[in-house]
Amino acid sequence: DVKVTQSSRYLVKRTGEKVFLECVQDMDHENMFWYRQDPGLGLRLIYFSYDVKMKEKGDIPEGYSVSREKKERFSLILESASTNQTSMYLCASCQTSTDTQYFGPGTRLTVL
Amino acid sequence: GENVEQHPSTLSVQEGDSAVIKCTYSDSASNYFPWYKQELGKRPQLIIDIRSNVGEKKDQRIAVTLNKTAKHFSLHITETQPEDSAVYFCAASINTNAGKSTFGDGTTLTVKP
Repeated sequence: DVKVTQSSRYLVKRTGEKVFLECVQDMDHENMFWYRQDPGLGLRLIYFSYDVKMKEKGDIPEGYSVSREKKERFSLILESASTNQTSMYLCASCQTSTDTQYFGPGTRLTVL
Repeated sequence: GENVEQHPSTLSVQEGDSAVIKCTYSDSASNYFPWYKQELGKRPQLIIDIRSNVGEKKDQRIAVTLNKTAKHFSLHITETQPEDSAVYFCAASINTNAGKSTFGDGTTLTVKP
C-alpha cells in the first residue's frame, strides 16, 4: 500500500516566518506534487518534481519554493509566510507509468 | 495549458437515487481521467479512472464514461448511500507529462437518508 506522509497535520506560524512543510513517500515514485486546497477553488498545483533536484512551477508558485534532495522527500518552503497563505496543503506522488496520484493527509497551516 | 471544468459544484440526492457529475477538458492530448473522492477531513483517494482508449468503465455502483470527441467525461453513482457523501474531483492528464494532472474544482455530494 502506498504511503504518503506529511510532517505536520496542523501548523500555526507568524507573518514573516520561514515555514517548511515536508512530504515523504515510500513507493519509489518519480513524481511528487504540492497542492493548495481552499474552499471552492479545488486543488491548485504549487510546484511539482519529476526527479531528484528537478522542479517545475505549477499554477500558483508565487511565494513558495521547493526542494527535492532525495527521491522519497519533497519539501515546500514558504520563505516569508503571509496571512493569505493560510490554507490546507496537500502533497501527492505518482509513478510516471500510471499517473494515479496518492495524497498525503494534508497540513492545515494558519498564518497569524 | 489544460483546463478542466466540473459541474455541478454541489449536488444533493436522496438515498437510493443516482448521482451524475460531469467534467469537460480542453486539451485533446489528455489521455488519463481519474476521479478522486475526499471525505470530510481526509485525503483525496482514487475511486475510478479511465484511459482514452476506453469509452466506459464500471466498478460496482460507480461508472465513468468518456466522450473524446466532445472532450467530456462523467461519473455515475447508482443506488447512492449516505457514505457516498463527499467531495468528488475529476482530473485530466497527459501520460507523458510527469504525472501532472489538472483538477476540476470539485463537487460536494450530499446523500440524504
